[in-house]
Amino acid sequence: DIQMTQSPSSLSASVGDRVTITCRASQGIRNDLGWYQQKPGKAPKRLIYAASSLQSGVPSRFSGSGSGTEFTLTISSLQPEDFATYYCLQHNRYPWTFGQGTKVEVK
Amino acid sequence: EVQLVESGGGLVQPGGSLRLSCAASGFTFTRYSMYWVRQAPGKGLAWVSRMTSDGSDTAYADSVKGRFTISRDNAKSSLYLQMNSLRAEDTAVYYCARGYNGPDYWGQGTLVTVSS
Repeated sequence: DIQMTQSPSSLSASVGDRVTITCRASQGIRNDLGWYQQKPGKAPKRLIYAASSLQSGVPSRFSGSGSGTEFTLTISSLQPEDFATYYCLQHNRYPWTFGQGTKVEVK
Repeated sequence: EVQLVESGGGLVQPGGSLRLSCAASGFTFTRYSMYWVRQAPGKGLAWVSRMTSDGSDTAYADSVKGRFTISRDNAKSSLYLQMNSLRAEDTAVYYCARGYNGPDYWGQGTLVTVSS
C-alpha cells in the first residue's frame, strides 16, 4: 500500500499567516493527489485536485504543488473560516490512502 | 446542484448486517464512479470502496474485503453498501462521494455504530 505521510499533524497560526502543509508518498503517484478541508461535524470539501488544480468555487488563497512523491498545500493568507483539518488523498493506486490530517488552530 | 444523501446507518450488534444507501441528484449519475469513505469517531478519513460508472468493476479496502459489497442502481441514481459480519472497528461515519479525478462531492454521512 502507498503510505501518505502528512506534516505537521497540527499547527497554530494567526489570521493573515501563510500556512504550508506537506504530504509525502511512499512511492511515486504522478499528480494523483487531492487536498480536502474538513470542519467539525461536516463532510470533507475538496480544495485541490490533480495536485495543483483549484476546485471550482474555492478561494485563490489556496494552492497546491508537487508531483511524484512530494506535495504541498499552501494557504497564502489564513482567514477565520480556514481553521479546520486538512487531508491529502492519493488516488493513484488502490487502496487509496489519506494522510493523517493537519489540524490548523488559532494561535 | 450536486447532492448526495446517505441513509441506513444505525446501531447494530457485532456480527450483524446493515445496508447503506446514497441517493444522488443534480448530475448524470451514470457518468461517474462512486465511492464510500469512512471516518471513525475522532479519527481520520479511510477509503472503503469504489464502483465504476457502469458497475463493471469494484475495489475494496483490505479491512472490509469479503464482508462489504458495493453496488449501484443507475436507474435510481443510487449507490449502496451492504455490510456484513460487522465489527466494533467498523464504527464510523460513512460518506458516499462522487468521483472525478478522485472524490469531488461528498454526502453529509451516516453514522454506523457496532456495539452490543
